[in-house]
Amino acid sequence: GAGVSQSPRYKVAKRGQDVALRCDPISGHVSLFWYQQALGQGPEFLTYFQNEAQLDKSGLPSDRFFAERPEGSVSTLKIQRTQQEDSAVYLCASSSSGIGNQPQHFGDGTRLSIL
Amino acid sequence: AQSVAQPEDQVNVAEGNPLTVKCTYSVSGNPYLFWYVQYPNRGLQFLLKYITGDNLVKGSYGFEAEFNKSQTSFHLKKPSALVSDSALYFCAVRALGGSQGNLIFGKGTKLSVKP
Repeated sequence: GAGVSQSPRYKVAKRGQDVALRCDPISGHVSLFWYQQALGQGPEFLTYFQNEAQLDKSGLPSDRFFAERPEGSVSTLKIQRTQQEDSAVYLCASSSSGIGNQPQHFGDGTRLSIL
Repeated sequence: AQSVAQPEDQVNVAEGNPLTVKCTYSVSGNPYLFWYVQYPNRGLQFLLKYITGDNLVKGSYGFEAEFNKSQTSFHLKKPSALVSDSALYFCAVRALGGSQGNLIFGKGTKLSVKP
């Protein structure tokens, strides 16, 4: 497709379960970002890939969060042993530039609810 | 530390009137500034950016923004509001350091345009 695609759109999990969220960026985009958006807030940075290299993971809230982009295209964000505070919308964005002067194009997000 | 402030949680405008959504930023060095719009249950859509050059930037859907370095502001404007402009608007600045690509977002301003 032409845009960033995220799946699933909605995910409900019980506390303690592991979840995996997928992001398919715009073809050819070098940079890929994950953000977490809590209800009523702006997105907050989680992690950044340039091609397959994870260059910044400073925003990951704990070691339960893990992201990968093994072939430099599709990315997966995994959350282990989920907790209620992990409930949020997880947004993926891609960009053609690695230096931040090009806009980031966002997917529609995955809304994660932890029961 | 870099930050973005959107001082208004909500802006109410009558259709056909001009609108302004305010944004101020704090960043060392030259800022890269962006405006995004978010409709319910959707990801963020890019409206416009300021990187360098002319302080008045024109973007999508008739929106424009004025970069004011002395006031560290980047207010979003539109001469004549439409009901369909009603949405959540986010101002963002590119983070410096780290990956130098991720965005720091304000908390958002809800724009309501009444017929």
